[in-house]
Amino acid sequence: DGGITQSPKYLFRKEGQNVTLSCEQNLNHDAMYWYRQDPGQGLRLIYYSQIVNDFQKGDIAEGYSVSREKKESFPLTVTSAQKNPTAFYLCASSRTGVGQPQHFGDGTRLSIL
Amino acid sequence: SQQGEEDPQALSIQEGENATMNCSYKTSINNLQWYRQNSGRGLVHLILIRSNEREKHSGRLRVTLDTSKKSSSLLITASRAADTASYFCATVLYQAGTALIFGKGTTLSVSS
Repeated sequence: DGGITQSPKYLFRKEGQNVTLSCEQNLNHDAMYWYRQDPGQGLRLIYYSQIVNDFQKGDIAEGYSVSREKKESFPLTVTSAQKNPTAFYLCASSRTGVGQPQHFGDGTRLSIL
Repeated sequence: SQQGEEDPQALSIQEGENATMNCSYKTSINNLQWYRQNSGRGLVHLILIRSNEREKHSGRLRVTLDTSKKSSSLLITASRAADTASYFCATVLYQAGTALIFGKGTTLSVSS
């Protein structure tokens, strides 16, 4: 079955450490997205990519970085510059075109040690 | 940049009752989508309604869209305990391509 796989499910970060969250999809979608979800805040867009080797900042890109070297993969790095990284991170993908429905992974919960 | 706002924030009902959630947005949209999120899981797409549509049905779900009032509603009929989840509306701005803007969600609890 096609879908999106996020790993790990739980991740802990020490102060000053960069961590990378994995997102892989086998839906043959061109567009991929990273969201951050805080309690009671809904989803906020961090970065998105509509094609390999290209990506755009979302509303809250500061302290995060991404790469899109392969169509299937869109890893997110939470850098030490992100001072409040504790959150639930969701990856999604969709076909290109305005307003395509998005398919989500089951998220990675990041906490600070 | 919050575009959609769901109302109410939380809703508790009994099995068999209908649940209605509302979403208001601020600017012109291409389409509006509703998603469900079970606790600790990713979002699941439920239904999409385009700006030139007024009503759409999918199983026990009915979505309406009023572009003059910039609002949408999601009705779940004959609710079941398995419908317990958070529900989000998401809008697509005409000039924003594929990126969706999500509201803060309505948390629905259905008790048996």
